[in-house]
Amino acid sequence: GEQVEQRPPHLSVREGDSAFIICTYTDSATAYFYWYKQEPGAGLQLLMSVFSNVDRKEEQGLTVLLNKKDKRLSLNLTAAHPGDSAVYFCAVKDTGYQNFYFGKGTSLTVIP
Amino acid sequence: DMKVTQMPRYLIKRMGENVLLECGQDMSHETMYWYRQDPGLGLQLIYISYDVDSNSEGDIPKGYRVSRKKREHFSLILDSAKTNQTSVYFCASSLEGDEQYFGPGTRLTVL
Repeated sequence: GEQVEQRPPHLSVREGDSAFIICTYTDSATAYFYWYKQEPGAGLQLLMSVFSNVDRKEEQGLTVLLNKKDKRLSLNLTAAHPGDSAVYFCAVKDTGYQNFYFGKGTSLTVIP
Repeated sequence: DMKVTQMPRYLIKRMGENVLLECGQDMSHETMYWYRQDPGLGLQLIYISYDVDSNSEGDIPKGYRVSRKKREHFSLILDSAKTNQTSVYFCASSLEGDEQYFGPGTRLTVL
């Protein structure tokens, strides 16, 4: 089955710096890619979704890169601020299936 | 307003007691999920429901069962709860396997 590895598990950056998170997956049939944010005591909130025909997507200070050859998905938060402190999860899904596979999360701390 | 709700938000039970966790969604999504989240393990899929009375085991179904009698409601049942079922449980829904919408979670403690 699909294996999703996410790193780093913990990340600390200063306000205004960038934060970079990577996920790798194993199944070449994976077609849908997601990044979620989880704040303390809350559920997961979708940040961005990407289909496999997209290599790069930018929205509101977030950049998602997809490298299908290397089976790698990344999230870059530019100019991080303390409100970005949370746990971030990547998730992937195959075409035609409804099971999502999650990374184990990255706990991001943005230091003022 | 698209929303997934979970009740209760916090629950304390003794080992051996039965537990009922409820999830509702107002988006008419056909697919619903139950996950548990434990530190360092991320999200683990317990059950997935493709529609009313169409449920399938996830990765860790042992000790759990589910019920879906209406499209908008999905229940997770623990018959005779165990201490290792102490966790945070999340419900999610999706439309045709597209992005998931998550509830706020239920923090269950089994003493």
